[in-house]
Amino acid sequence: KAGVTQTPRYLIKTRGQQVTLSCSPISGHRSVSWYQQTPGQGLQFLFEYFSETQRNKGNFPGRFSGRQFSNSRSEMNVSTLELGDSALYLCASSLFGQGADNEQFFGPGTRLTVL
Amino acid sequence: AQSVTQLGSHVSVSEGALVLLRCNYSSSVPPYLFWYVQYPNQGLQLLLKYTSAATLVKGINGFEAEFKKSETSFHLTKPSAHMSDAAEYFCAVSESLQKLVFGTGTRLLVSP
Repeated sequence: KAGVTQTPRYLIKTRGQQVTLSCSPISGHRSVSWYQQTPGQGLQFLFEYFSETQRNKGNFPGRFSGRQFSNSRSEMNVSTLELGDSALYLCASSLFGQGADNEQFFGPGTRLTVL
Repeated sequence: AQSVTQLGSHVSVSEGALVLLRCNYSSSVPPYLFWYVQYPNQGLQLLLKYTSAATLVKGINGFEAEFKKSETSFHLTKPSAHMSDAAEYFCAVSESLQKLVFGTGTRLLVSP
């Protein structure tokens, strides 16, 4: 069974630009969660989508948005990029979503560098 | 609100020595607890999880963790470290349908 895939793996943008990251979950998984990982802040939860609906949201500004398609693939968009948005963005999928003992399976991440 | 504290951002051990990575949690209800490992340039991989079935949980690669409610701890151990264990380890807590909250991570360094 193929794992979680994320594209692209590396991305370089300049301040003010926008970026779209993509995540394809494990087949059959309906939940996709996004995390931002930085050396200073660690792993921070961005949002979770389940069956095309946003179910949970972290404390990030509105510049960070996402969506999920009917095939469970998800995209995350960051508009008006700032230097502080440089991070590893991780996507995780699970059968039933966040919470309880539901295991999340992580992709390799997209490393975004903002210049 | 749930939270996790991992003591020690870096832990160094010699190959063959005991590995002990500390995790304390805060939760208003019985929590679900997880340990994940992240190797360089990779995503996170689940090592083990506590779901109230047993207080001593065995995971992959010889790791185990013990849930101690009185100490609100879920420390990760391995009797004998291997060079391949060098990675970053994250403890995480979840309550019911709430989001997964991660600790700040502990980088394990293994010397020959």
